Amino acid sequence: NAGVTQTPKFRVLKTGQSMTLLCAQDMNHEYMYWYRQDPGMGLRLIHYSVGEGTTAKGEVPDGYNVSRLKKQNFLLGLESAAPSQTSVYFCASRPDRGSVYEQYFGPGTRLTVT
Amino acid sequence: RKEVEQDPGPFNVPEGATVAFNCTYSNSASQSFFWYRQDCRKEPKLLMSVYSSGNEDGRFTAQLNRASQYISLLIRDSKLSDSATYLCAVRTGGGNKLTFGTGTQLKVEL
Repeated sequence: NAGVTQTPKFRVLKTGQSMTLLCAQDMNHEYMYWYRQDPGMGLRLIHYSVGEGTTAKGEVPDGYNVSRLKKQNFLLGLESAAPSQTSVYFCASRPDRGSVYEQYFGPGTRLTVT
Repeated sequence: RKEVEQDPGPFNVPEGATVAFNCTYSNSASQSFFWYRQDCRKEPKLLMSVYSSGNEDGRFTAQLNRASQYISLLIRDSKLSDSATYLCAVRTGGGNKLTFGTGTQLKVEL
């Protein structure tokens, strides 16, 4: 049981390049989330999904797109990277259980855009 | 005003000390509250949920003050291994999202 995994762990992009970050979970969780974490800003929600085939915008969605074609995977895409997207990206998932609201986080992807 | 606010610290305390952090939230409709722990360059992990009547887990005590709209985390007998950033998180209403504070950094020293 690997939990939540993220690929890649590190990446350096040039401005204007595109890339996709992959999040995978093997816990059969319904909900998945993409956050970015910047110094002094905390964790900010980019996009999230409440189930396979669904996505919704979070607090800071501009410049990002997402897809949830399979329940276990949640992809975050940057179509044209900008230096402002330099950040640590965390994926998280949680089960659809009413009384427990623990989000399980992946190890993060450190992205630098030059 | 930010939806969830925390003092960033750092709080530097000697080993064995008791330390407390607060986290204020602005939305009175907030229903669920949590403390997460994040080690340096690692992912956040749930430390404990915060229940209305307050709750304890070993050396950690969490409390909720709805009237003043804040939650607190008390750590007794601090250990070096408690050094980390503590994030509070708030779920509002029936939403599927958490809003996180920016975190409070704790450094426990010999």
